[in-house]
Amino acid sequence: AQRVTQPEKLLSVFKGAPVELKCNYSYSGSPELFWYVQYSRQRLQLLLRHISRESIKGFTADLNKGETSFHLKKPFAQEEDSAMYYCALSRSGGSNYKLTFGKGTLLTVNP
Amino acid sequence: GAGVSQTPSNKVTEKGKYVELRCDPISGHTALYWYRQSLGQGPEFLIYFQGTGAADDSGLPNDRFFAVRPEGSVSTLKIQRTERGDSAVYLCASSLNKENTEAFFGQGTRLTVV
Repeated sequence: AQRVTQPEKLLSVFKGAPVELKCNYSYSGSPELFWYVQYSRQRLQLLLRHISRESIKGFTADLNKGETSFHLKKPFAQEEDSAMYYCALSRSGGSNYKLTFGKGTLLTVNP
Repeated sequence: GAGVSQTPSNKVTEKGKYVELRCDPISGHTALYWYRQSLGQGPEFLIYFQGTGAADDSGLPNDRFFAVRPEGSVSTLKIQRTERGDSAVYLCASSLNKENTEAFFGQGTRLTVV
């Protein structure tokens, strides 16, 4: 069975500090990994996916198959980054319909 | 519309009643998904439609839950004999197709069973 673990329920940093949101997964095949974000009173939206290998809003995430991790990082956090972040996994091959989500990490960036 | 629309935004019902939750996907999106998010949890997959057919309903928790998408656009999630444990936010998402495309989520319907 596939599983996504986000060990931190809450994460608080100061503006300008680096931030890392942890995500570990278990899956027997080759997964696709995603980060979704939900800002206050907004809908869930895709932040980035590992196959795109792109940086969105200064965030990056590298898939580490050896450690089965997909941590989300940003070198300098901004107040507008405060949101709920969910790591998600799906089967490889582009079938992104059946996403398995972690429980989420609430990031607060303090001024 | 500009995005996935779900109605109602909030629904309070009594235990044992029947409820219907509606999802209007983005126009032209053939793939539609329902997820359920309980308090303190991430979204959990319920069912996936490709066009009019339910391609995967393995996430439906029991036979009280049913979903339809008769014309390949709007979908309705139906819950019979609601229980307090059904209380959650029900999320709908759509994508252009299931292959390598972003899933866009609606705002969700918050269902409370009292």
